[in-house]
Amino acid sequence: AAGVIQSPRHLIKEKRETATLKCYPIPRHDTVYWYQQGPGQDPQFLISFYEKMQSDKGSIPDRFSAQQFSDYHSELNMSSLELGDSALYFCASSSLGGNEAFFGQGTRLTVV
Amino acid sequence: KNEVEQSPQNLTAQEGEFITINCSYSVGISALHWLQQHPGGGIVSLFMLSSGKKKHGRLIATINIQEKHSSLHITASHPRDSAVYICAVPTMYSGGGADGLTFGKGTHLIIQP
Repeated sequence: AAGVIQSPRHLIKEKRETATLKCYPIPRHDTVYWYQQGPGQDPQFLISFYEKMQSDKGSIPDRFSAQQFSDYHSELNMSSLELGDSALYFCASSSLGGNEAFFGQGTRLTVV
Repeated sequence: KNEVEQSPQNLTAQEGEFITINCSYSVGISALHWLQQHPGGGIVSLFMLSSGKKKHGRLIATINIQEKHSSLHITASHPRDSAVYICAVPTMYSGGGADGLTFGKGTHLIIQP
């Protein structure tokens, strides 16, 4: 069965650079969530989208932005990268009202 | 915002032992998730439950909505069960829409042969 696909799996960027992470939800899932998991920390909710509109916002820095496209895939754009942005970024998808969230394998971002 | 407490934080057991991991949360929820994270980092959804009990293979999850408490049990534990087990509940930032999940700190489980 198709799962949530994230790309790239690994990304190395320098400070002050920009990164774009992509998430392709499970087919027919209309809701996407983004999470950030720092080293040794529990995942933190960043932002979610439902039907291409921002639905909820968590602890997402102003330097980050995200959107969901017409094909329901989502992109997380991160600018002016800082060393502290090094983390595992997870995307999850669900159908609103379905409750169960399915997670991608994550993108490991390293800022040097 | 929902607060999630998991216990124990670390657990080492021998193969074959019965394992119990507990999760408590502060705000009433519609559903609770149990997730498994392996050393490589990937997160797998084990259960989503809103009442009673669910079973999948050697894994059993129970929830008591009134007491805001859930448990994950592993029967006949095996070294391949070694992973971090995470309890997650809706964050309830706004009470509606696509609420993200708030995660517990996780239980680091090691099953020794």
